[in-house]
Amino acid sequence: DTGVSQNPRHKITKRGQNVTFRCDPISEHNRLYWYRQTLGQGPEFLTYFQNEAQLEKSRLLSDRFSAERPKGSFSTLEIQRTEQGDSAMYLCASSFRDTLGYEQYFGPGTRLTVT
Amino acid sequence: GQSLEQPSEVTAVEGAIVQINCTYQTSGFYGLSWYQQHDGGAPTFLSYNALDGLEETGRFSSFLSRSDSYGYLLLQELQMKDSASYFCAVSATGRRALTFGSGTRLQVQP
Repeated sequence: DTGVSQNPRHKITKRGQNVTFRCDPISEHNRLYWYRQTLGQGPEFLTYFQNEAQLEKSRLLSDRFSAERPKGSFSTLEIQRTEQGDSAMYLCASSFRDTLGYEQYFGPGTRLTVT
Repeated sequence: GQSLEQPSEVTAVEGAIVQINCTYQTSGFYGLSWYQQHDGGAPTFLSYNALDGLEETGRFSSFLSRSDSYGYLLLQELQMKDSASYFCAVSATGRRALTFGSGTRLQVQP
C-alpha cells in the first residue's frame, strides 16, 4: 500500500492555458474523489467516481473542468482556459466501499498557480 | 444545503486537554468525521460518528449529538506534534462526498 499519489505536485501556468492533473488511488479502493482547497479553508468537493462511473459533480465544477477515470484505476482532472481564480491545491482522495465514504485517504495534492 | 461552523483557532499547552466544537446544518445528515491536516500535508482521517455518543481512539475522542446538530473532537495529553488544522466534515444520505468545515487551527505551546 503506497498511498494515494498525485502528479505533478506543483504546476505554474499562464491564464488561458489548459492543465491536467493525475491521481493514482490506493489500488483496492473503488471510490475516488477530487477536492479543491484554498488557504485557510477546508477541502471543497468537486467530483466523485465509483469505479469508472462519475456519480457526482459539484455545482462548483464549471464547464472548464472535466474529470475521467477510464479504467476505474487512475483519474485525471483537466482544467481548460485556466483563470487566476483556479489557483488552489487540488486534492485527490480514495476510499473503500465499506466505509460509506467517510474515511477517505488523501494524496499530497497538486498546487496550481495561475499567473 | 450544508453548512458547518467551527472555531478558527485554538491555543493550548503541552499535556493539556482541548475540545474543538463543530455545529452543522445538513439536509439528510448521516455522520460526522474529523480530519487532521499539518501545514503542507494531506488531510488524515481521525474519527467518525454516526450515532450519538463518544468514540475513543487513543488520545483522541469524538462526540456527536444528532438532536443538537453538534459534535466535538477532544484531544488529550496534547503533544507539540498535534499542532495542525482540524476539520469536521459531514456525510449526507445518498452522497459519498464529504462537506468540510473551514477548519480549526490548533497551536500547542510548550
